[in-house]
Amino acid sequence: KAGVTQTPRYLIKTRGQQVTLSCSPISGHRSVSWYQQTPGQGLQFLFEYFSETQRNKGNFPGRFSGRQFSNSRSEMNVSTLELGDSALYLCASSSEQGARGYTFGSGTRLTVV
Amino acid sequence: QQQVKQSPQSLIVQKGGISIINCAYENTAFDYFPWYQQFPGKGPALLIAIRPDVSEKKEGRFTISFNKSAKQFSLHIMDSQPGDSATYFCAAGKTGGGNKLTFGTGTQLKVEL
Repeated sequence: KAGVTQTPRYLIKTRGQQVTLSCSPISGHRSVSWYQQTPGQGLQFLFEYFSETQRNKGNFPGRFSGRQFSNSRSEMNVSTLELGDSALYLCASSSEQGARGYTFGSGTRLTVV
Repeated sequence: QQQVKQSPQSLIVQKGGISIINCAYENTAFDYFPWYQQFPGKGPALLIAIRPDVSEKKEGRFTISFNKSAKQFSLHIMDSQPGDSATYFCAAGKTGGGNKLTFGTGTQLKVEL
């Protein structure tokens, strides 16, 4: 059974640009959550999608957005990149409601220069 | 607002020793407390989880102790091995909160020979 796949693995962008990250959940999983991981802040919740609807949202500015497609694949977009957006972005999928059975992908390492 | 506080930030244990990591939470609505293990270059992986209706849960060398009145829980790794060297995160979630987890800031564990 394939795990959670995140693409690309590494990304370097310039300040002011925008970026789109992709996440393919485990087959059959309908919930996809996104987290930002930094050395100083740890894992911070960005948002969660369930059956194409955003169900939860963390405390991030509107520059961070996401969506989920009918096949449960999800994308997150960050516009007008800032240096502080450099982080590991993790996607987690689950078949259940309520944060049980989270499986994380290996993440996308975004560096903003 | 940091709702889950984790300590220590780093820990060095001798092979065969006991590793203990502590977490404290503030929100009494939390009813799911997982621990995740993360190796470099990988996403976090679920290690063990507990609900507040039990005070202890053991899986192999890993044990969670839970103190509901003190709003604290801890991870004990018995007979620690060099392969256990990783970063450990505690987290908390709540039923009805969707698939959102609030994470502690992580503990870097190093097990020395």
